[in-house]
Amino acid sequence: EAGVAQSPRYKIIEKRQSVAFWCNPISGHATLYWYQQILGQGPKLLIQFQNNGVVDDSQLPKDRFSAERLKGVDSTLKIQPAKLEDSAVYLCASSLAGGSYGYTFGSGTRLTVV
Amino acid sequence: GQQLNQSPQSMFIQEGEDVSMICTSSSIFNTWLWYKQEPGEGPVLLIALYKAGELTSNGRLTAQFGITRKDSFLNISASIPSDVGIYFCAGQLLVTGNQFYFGTGTSLTVIP
Repeated sequence: EAGVAQSPRYKIIEKRQSVAFWCNPISGHATLYWYQQILGQGPKLLIQFQNNGVVDDSQLPKDRFSAERLKGVDSTLKIQPAKLEDSAVYLCASSLAGGSYGYTFGSGTRLTVV
Repeated sequence: GQQLNQSPQSMFIQEGEDVSMICTSSSIFNTWLWYKQEPGEGPVLLIALYKAGELTSNGRLTAQFGITRKDSFLNISASIPSDVGIYFCAGQLLVTGNQFYFGTGTSLTVIP
């Protein structure tokens, strides 16, 4: 089966600019996750979708981050305006409903804010 | 968020040696996962554990769900150069939802 697709792979922007990341999960996976992974750390959940509804966005900095999954398939994560501390790899993952059997991750988007 | 501590933080070993790493938390988890991440890639699931005391193998990898439900262990036997990467544990809490919290990672370097 095709894996989780993410684009772009790399992005460099100046602080205060905006950026958007795209994710297409594995076909049939109802649950989609966006994780932020800062260099040297483990992934941290930003937002979890079940179909097109938000299950958990408690760790999403909502003043600057937004995410949507309009048709319950692919998803977009946006940062506006970006800060230096947003430099990280943004990982998208998907799972069958519940996720207890683990997630499948995409390769991530490496964001550098200068 | 939940804090999962992994030890050691990094390891440098000779090819052929066995490796052991541990993941600990102050919270009780009902599921433990072990992932491996290589440079420029997302984490890849290695082993999943669902019951306290459970011991599960995947080739040369063996993981255990701690009896206290607050820890998990991963062992790699007869390491080879392609084992290089960062190993993350991830735990799913007993009580709340299905979010997995990730550990701090153990970086493994295998010297040929």
